[in-house]
Amino acid sequence: AQTVTQSQPEMSVQEAETVTLSCTYDTSESDYYLFWYKQPPSRQMILVIRQEAYKQQNATENRFSVNFQKAAKSFSLKISDSQLGDAAMYFCAYRLETSGSRLTFGEGTQLTVNP
Amino acid sequence: DGGITQSPKYLFRKEGQNVTLSCEQNLNHDAMYWYRQDPGQGLRLIYYSQIVNDFQKGDIAEGYSVSREKKESFPLTVTSAQKNPTAFYLCASSPGDIRAHQPQHFGDGTRLSIL
Repeated sequence: AQTVTQSQPEMSVQEAETVTLSCTYDTSESDYYLFWYKQPPSRQMILVIRQEAYKQQNATENRFSVNFQKAAKSFSLKISDSQLGDAAMYFCAYRLETSGSRLTFGEGTQLTVNP
Repeated sequence: DGGITQSPKYLFRKEGQNVTLSCEQNLNHDAMYWYRQDPGQGLRLIYYSQIVNDFQKGDIAEGYSVSREKKESFPLTVTSAQKNPTAFYLCASSPGDIRAHQPQHFGDGTRLSIL
């Protein structure tokens, strides 16, 4: 079965510091897309960043960046200069080229930002 | 503004009753999805549809039914066969297969509870 594993159920970080959330996945396919979504207390799902597996360069969106290690099937999210508004549940997900457009999600990491 | 509208925000079901959750999108997306989220857990796929008049079962389809008669609408019925329906339900849409790198956009969710 295709799976996504987020091994850290909870993480905390001091405001303005950097935190890394881990994600590993299991697939035998070579073409896929990876995503990080954020779910604040409002429960809305917000796209944070995405990565195409065929691209070697790590994606970056402002304070958010990923460390994509295809051989290790690892896709960690780094949040720099953490802000109070970053507090949320973060979900890692992937989409396979061969499975249509459906996403498979991890269990999530609850991030707390301390002032 | 384009987006996804889920209604109602809160819904209560009596024993033995079927209830229908509404999902409408004006993003002109081909694909639509229904996810279930239990407390402290990730999203699990119930049903998805990649084109009008077609849909596929996800990972937890038992006790649920859907229809896709219009491109913009993908209602989910929680039947009496679903013995544990209390959860948060999220609807999403995406452009579809040919643009698999495009992320899914989510509605604000419906919280379903048993009376």
